[in-house]
Amino acid sequence: GAGVSQSPSNKVTEKGKDVELRCDPISGHTALYWYRQSLGQGLEFLIYFQGNSAPDKSGLPSDRFSAERTGGSVSTLTIQRTQQEDSAVYLCASRLASGTVDTEAFFGQGTRLTVV
Amino acid sequence: GQQVMQIPQYQHVQEGEDFTTYCNSSTTLSNIQWYKQRPGGHPVFLIQLVKSGEVKKQKRLTFQFGEAKKNSSLHITATQTTDVGTYFCAGRTGGFKTIFGAGTRLFVKA
Repeated sequence: GAGVSQSPSNKVTEKGKDVELRCDPISGHTALYWYRQSLGQGLEFLIYFQGNSAPDKSGLPSDRFSAERTGGSVSTLTIQRTQQEDSAVYLCASRLASGTVDTEAFFGQGTRLTVV
Repeated sequence: GQQVMQIPQYQHVQEGEDFTTYCNSSTTLSNIQWYKQRPGGHPVFLIQLVKSGEVKKQKRLTFQFGEAKKNSSLHITATQTTDVGTYFCAGRTGGFKTIFGAGTRLFVKA
């Protein structure tokens, strides 16, 4: 596609429910990132996928969070047993990454998650 | 762990004043990128710096990469209301992982 696509754009869920957030990166981009941004705050790194390498999960806040990337393309971020503190905008970004010079990271519009 | 610290967290300026945000890394960076996020939007790429001591300009914006490749700055001359938003630096360390700073939120009063 023309850009990074995230769905849904908005999600309201009840506390304790599971949610799945989807990211369609730009075709051919080898690197994919998930970030979380609370209202008025900076970007919190969650997880990073690069090609066929094992993902860097060092930013996942708890074992309720997991992510996968199928076929090196689409990625799904799953949050189990959602809590109110999970409410935030979840941003996905993709880029080409090789050598020491990166292309820019393209961000999706994000999924605004509200846990009530 | 590897961190990219960005200061200040917030900056209020009068339109026409200058603004600078600073980015510091605990480790040497392969490159550094700057992004701008308008209120309600998503981060959008501004520029990438790769070489030690590199300086790049985009109109009223001046970007610098430190000699040791551990720090960077973004300076805006004569701010305008259209400059409002959050400015993020993003540094690439070992491998392909990019770490974003927490961002500096710029408020411009007309």
